[in-house]
Amino acid sequence: TQLLEQSPQFLSIQEGENLTVYCNSSSVFSSLQWYRQEPGEGPVLLVTVVTGGEVKKLKRLTFQFGDARKDSSLHITAAQPGDTGLYLCAGGRAGRGSQGNLIFGKGTKLSVKP
Amino acid sequence: EAGVTQFPSHSVIEKGQTVTLRCDPISGHDNLYWYRRVMGKEIKFLLHFVKESKQDESGMPNNRFLAERTGGTYSTLKVQPAELEDSGVYFCASSPISSGQGYTFGSGTRLTVV
Repeated sequence: TQLLEQSPQFLSIQEGENLTVYCNSSSVFSSLQWYRQEPGEGPVLLVTVVTGGEVKKLKRLTFQFGDARKDSSLHITAAQPGDTGLYLCAGGRAGRGSQGNLIFGKGTKLSVKP
Repeated sequence: EAGVTQFPSHSVIEKGQTVTLRCDPISGHDNLYWYRRVMGKEIKFLLHFVKESKQDESGMPNNRFLAERTGGTYSTLKVQPAELEDSGVYFCASSPISSGQGYTFGSGTRLTVV
């Protein structure tokens, strides 16, 4: 069974601090997606990484896919209260017929205090 | 463009009753997915439609769950008869036909079975 271990589960920091969220697995994924979810809403896609070693930047957010495509990280620089939310990683399975089947981590609940 | 719409947003039913959840994907999106989050657990895949055909239904828990997508447009997910462990948030997502780049999720239906 493929699993995505996401850490930390909870993170409470002050505005202006940096943070990193990790997503690890023993399995190889065809792609790795990061979502952000607000209460009462569905996950909203932030980024998709598909190549081992790939790094993508979205303003103050930096996403990295591990060389072996088994792990990923999300780094936020100078966090702001507006970054507060639940961050989810999701791995896309390789192989025909199962590409729509995402494996989700349990999420990291981030709270950024002013 | 309109996003993925799910109805109802909340449903409270008694054990043994039937509930039907509806999802309207983004117009033109051939891929439609159902996911579920049970309290305390990660979001888990249920099934994947490509147009009106079931591409992957490996995540369906048991035969009390029936999903349909007549005409390749909206989809319904029926639970009959509902059990207590079916409680959770049911998400629908859609993507264009060739997309491995991430999905657009609806806001979910929170189902409570009492």
